[in-house]
Amino acid sequence: DIQMTQSPSSVSASVGDRVTITCRASQDISTWLAWYRQKPGNAPELLIYSASRLEFGVPSRFSGSGSGTDFTLTISGLQPEDFATYFCQQANSFPLTFGGGTKVEIK
Amino acid sequence: VQLQESGPRLLKPSQTLSLTCSVSGGSMNSGDYSWNWIRQSPGTGLEWIGYINSGGNTNYNPSFKSRITISLDTSKNQFSLRLRSVTAGDTALYYCARGIHPVDRWGQGTLVAVSS
Repeated sequence: DIQMTQSPSSVSASVGDRVTITCRASQDISTWLAWYRQKPGNAPELLIYSASRLEFGVPSRFSGSGSGTDFTLTISGLQPEDFATYFCQQANSFPLTFGGGTKVEIK
Repeated sequence: VQLQESGPRLLKPSQTLSLTCSVSGGSMNSGDYSWNWIRQSPGTGLEWIGYINSGGNTNYNPSFKSRITISLDTSKNQFSLRLRSVTAGDTALYYCARGIHPVDRWGQGTLVAVSS
């Protein structure tokens, strides 16, 4: 199985801050990577797929980059609804696997 | 498209977990989608269980392969999960979801507890 490692596991930030989350795959996954935001009590919601493509309706403050094994999610201008947990997921091979999550907390 | 899980929420060890996902707002036969079961627990995080596609083909996580069956009922626009011989380790929030890359629609999830 491909292991997905996210860092940091948590980050404290303020509204308006820029936050960067990284995800590393245990082997080359090209750009078969997606990012999700999970608000407390809710299901994950898709933000980005193919490493850098913004899902329809997702605000442009979210951006993704990377290929191969190293990926980043950047939130430029944190909003109150962005205090949540973020997950990466690889779809290069089965079984699909997810990162352990990064919790963005209010400073 | 919206997805909604349903099924018993409390099981005893060794029983079979049976969940159904009802899809509304579109036909499961339209488009070449895969229909997944994914679970989440504090201990193991998000864990993909398996999928079935509109043609009835399945792909299971080897971690569950000997215990699971995913089936499809297109006449009811539903798909189902059966997980046999459950243990406390199967206690989790179970989601049904659409798509592989990406997983673009999720149900709200249903919490299943396994306890004697």
